[in-house]
Amino acid sequence: AQSVTQPDIHITVSEGASLELRCNYSYGATPYLFWYVQSPGQGLQLLLKYFSGDTLVQGIKGFEAEFKRSQSSFNLRKPSVHWSDAAEYFCAVGGGNTDKLIFGTGTRLQVFP
Amino acid sequence: DAGVIQSPRHEVTEMGQEVTLRCKPISGHNSLFWYRQTMMRGLELLIYFNNNVPIDDSGMPEDRFSAKMPNASFSTLKIQPSEPRDSAVYFCASSRGTSKETQYFGPGTRLLVL
Repeated sequence: AQSVTQPDIHITVSEGASLELRCNYSYGATPYLFWYVQSPGQGLQLLLKYFSGDTLVQGIKGFEAEFKRSQSSFNLRKPSVHWSDAAEYFCAVGGGNTDKLIFGTGTRLQVFP
Repeated sequence: DAGVIQSPRHEVTEMGQEVTLRCKPISGHNSLFWYRQTMMRGLELLIYFNNNVPIDDSGMPEDRFSAKMPNASFSTLKIQPSEPRDSAVYFCASSRGTSKETQYFGPGTRLLVL
């Protein structure tokens, strides 16, 4: 069955520290992978996506993610976190002949000054 | 572009009442998605349309929920009768179709059923 796992429900980091949010997926076909961010009271916004090619993808706001097929992972990283990055982050997987995305349960990021 | 527009932004109603949520997708997008977000269940896909046709409604909780897309620029999600457990944030999203395309989310409708 198709699924996305975000093992960390809540992460707290200090401003300026590096960040890595984990995402593991289970998908029968070649996956399309996404990271979305949700600020409080708002809808989801795309950070980055991966379909094929270079396994390291760059996104908005200084985020990047690396696709590792052998580990079925698509972890999100940022070298230096800003207070404005505090939000909830969702990993999602799609592909095949459907428009559906399967979303993970999200990771809430808290940033301390 | 105005983005995905949802109305109302907030709705408070009493159990048993009918609730109608509205969505205007981004012009030119041919796929539309309705999601529900709760603390307990996270983000759930309820139904999605492609070219105004419902493609997958397997996420619709029960017969009390119905969705329509009469044209490319408008969709509704109706709950009748509403129950307290329907309280959630309901998001509409649209895309150009195919799972490669970015889904653009609206700001959501926060529904409280008393």
